[in-house]
Amino acid sequence: ETGVTQTPRHLVMGMTNKKSLKCEQHLGHNAMYWYKQSAKKPLELMFVYNFKEQTENNSVPSRFSPECPNSSHLFLHLHTLQPEDSALYLCASSQERTSGNTDTQYFGPGTRLTVL
Amino acid sequence: AQSVTQLGSHVSVSEGALVLLRCNYSSSVPPYLFWYVQYPNQGLQLLLKYTTGATLVKGINGFEAEFKKSETSFHLTKPSAHMSDAAEYFCAVSGANTGNQFYFGTGTSLTVIP
Repeated sequence: ETGVTQTPRHLVMGMTNKKSLKCEQHLGHNAMYWYKQSAKKPLELMFVYNFKEQTENNSVPSRFSPECPNSSHLFLHLHTLQPEDSALYLCASSQERTSGNTDTQYFGPGTRLTVL
Repeated sequence: AQSVTQLGSHVSVSEGALVLLRCNYSSSVPPYLFWYVQYPNQGLQLLLKYTTGATLVKGINGFEAEFKKSETSFHLTKPSAHMSDAAEYFCAVSGANTGNQFYFGTGTSLTVIP
């Protein structure tokens, strides 16, 4: 399999559930990202990992917990979410998080999350 | 603060007509600029990017964009629209002055009319 893959593609969960989103990149990249895409809003960067280390957390609520066990895998653990957290969650990767950030980001297909 | 503005959240063109999607950015220094396309139920795919050098950038699927510093614009064009071009298009900016972060516009939905 090539590129960036995400599972599951669709997820429906209650506010008390705990679930995880998975992202895997097959591009040999060293930086991985989580974005939230809500209707009528710009993509919101949530977390950045560079060489397995979290380098950015853009004021994301603690009910979202990322994990990056290696450069190829990225998880987003979800617990006690709110209905307003319903969105498309996109994973992306790039060669690395370099100064000037000219590295192209490659995106997965996303997970459509619905919180009831 | 960095920002990206895409004028027109919805654009409709006839098949074979010119496609023009507008993007303006705010930046105190020349940024790096990107156009991504998102087809239904898919992630974002890079169309083209400008970093340095030639200001007219050619991308995939016949798209091109021109960086105009004086107008702080990076409009996306295609001479002749095809039905398969119907999608959501996102302009993005990044660079050292953005804290190495990508900033995306709100997107423009392109409809191609047969």
